[in-house]
Amino acid sequence: GESVGLHLPTLSVQEGDNSIINCAYSNSASDYFIWYKQESGKGPQFIIDIRSNMDKRQGQRVTVLLNKTVKHLSLQIAATQPGDSAVYFCAENLYNFNKFYFGSGTKLNVKP
Amino acid sequence: EPEVTQTPSHQVTQMGQEVILRCVPISNHLYFYWYRQILGQKVEFLVSFYNNEISEKSEIFDDQFSVERPDGSNFTLKIRSTKLEDSAMYFCASSPGGDLRGNEQFFGPGTRLTVL
Repeated sequence: GESVGLHLPTLSVQEGDNSIINCAYSNSASDYFIWYKQESGKGPQFIIDIRSNMDKRQGQRVTVLLNKTVKHLSLQIAATQPGDSAVYFCAENLYNFNKFYFGSGTKLNVKP
Repeated sequence: EPEVTQTPSHQVTQMGQEVILRCVPISNHLYFYWYRQILGQKVEFLVSFYNNEISEKSEIFDDQFSVERPDGSNFTLKIRSTKLEDSAMYFCASSPGGDLRGNEQFFGPGTRLTVL
């Protein structure tokens, strides 16, 4: 079956440093990927997405990289801030836009 | 800024009872979703809904589950006979549809369901 997983369950970084959160997916047919942020007690919040025809997409302070060869996705957060502390999930979409599979999440701790 | 709302925030029920979880998606959105998240685990897709019918559902979404959009604004998830393992946070989400940006899903704050 489909599988989306994360390499690191917890990541601690110093405020101001850059963060990199990784995600592996198993289904090479996945064509759409999203990164979500989930703060404690809240629902997931969309951060950035990328289609499989791209290998990089940039947003405000965030960059998503997609390596289809090794089925790997990463989220880079520049100048990490305390407000970035949360659990980050990647999600993949298979064949259509109405069904998503989420990874297990990485907790990002930003130390002041 | 428009947002997805969910009620109640916490629902406690006895095993075997029916529960209805309610969601009000963002008003001009066309796609609606239910997800669940068991404590400490990943978010799991349950069902997506478009044009007044289910478009996709997961293996979790068995005959005990149903969804409805009764009045053009509410989107409900019904669990007919709750089990202990249904205890989880249930998230509703909606997306505008259309082009890629239209696939951005906006999540509600969730309903915590506790089955005793």
